[in-house]
Amino acid sequence: GAVVSQHPSWVICKSGTSVKIECRSLDFQATTMFWYRQFPKQSLMLMATSNEGSKATYEQGVEKDKFLINHASLTLSTLTVTSAHPEDSSFYICSAFKAGHKNEQFFGPGTRLTVL
Amino acid sequence: AQRVTQPEKLLSVFKGAPVELKCNYSYSGSPELFWYVQYSRQRLQLLLRHISRESIKGFTADLNKGETSFHLKKPFAQEEDSAMYYCALGGGATNKLIFGTGTLLAVQP
Repeated sequence: GAVVSQHPSWVICKSGTSVKIECRSLDFQATTMFWYRQFPKQSLMLMATSNEGSKATYEQGVEKDKFLINHASLTLSTLTVTSAHPEDSSFYICSAFKAGHKNEQFFGPGTRLTVL
Repeated sequence: AQRVTQPEKLLSVFKGAPVELKCNYSYSGSPELFWYVQYSRQRLQLLLRHISRESIKGFTADLNKGETSFHLKKPFAQEEDSAMYYCALGGGATNKLIFGTGTLLAVQP
């Protein structure tokens, strides 16, 4: 199997605080994970590529100081939304890349962030 | 620039009718095209990819490089096919995916 989990599944926080979201590959190692953001009734927007043991690669227009990514192990990547504001409220989805003959991305269930 | 276009936000068909979900892409390199599906309250999952040239749940998709298209087709829709379908473009060494805006398929009984 190839299961990816995210924690928490939903979180509510006050404006100005930081929130950490975890993405874990439960039964395989993933040197590469991806973080996406999805607004209501819109598509997934790739935010960044998380590389184990090195710095994340951010897509154009995504603030790296705002969205801190750490990929400290082969099964865990974290996304920290720093000094959150209401406009950061969104659905954040991660995926883990499983290398092999199929080279497939497996998606987590997503985390709903609401900033008050 | 890499881009994926899904022109239809919603496609409503009756059970048993043929289905075609459109997808066009823009990519200067050698593309890898995927269809992902998201059933209600479930996570995104891979439906099929062009390099596999397979049929999954009765769905097929052919990569047409001349028309830069990767339309998803099924001859006879089932109610359980109702879901959100995303076309995605990959390729290159980064393994990242660029998603289209998605098409909601609603199959009426």
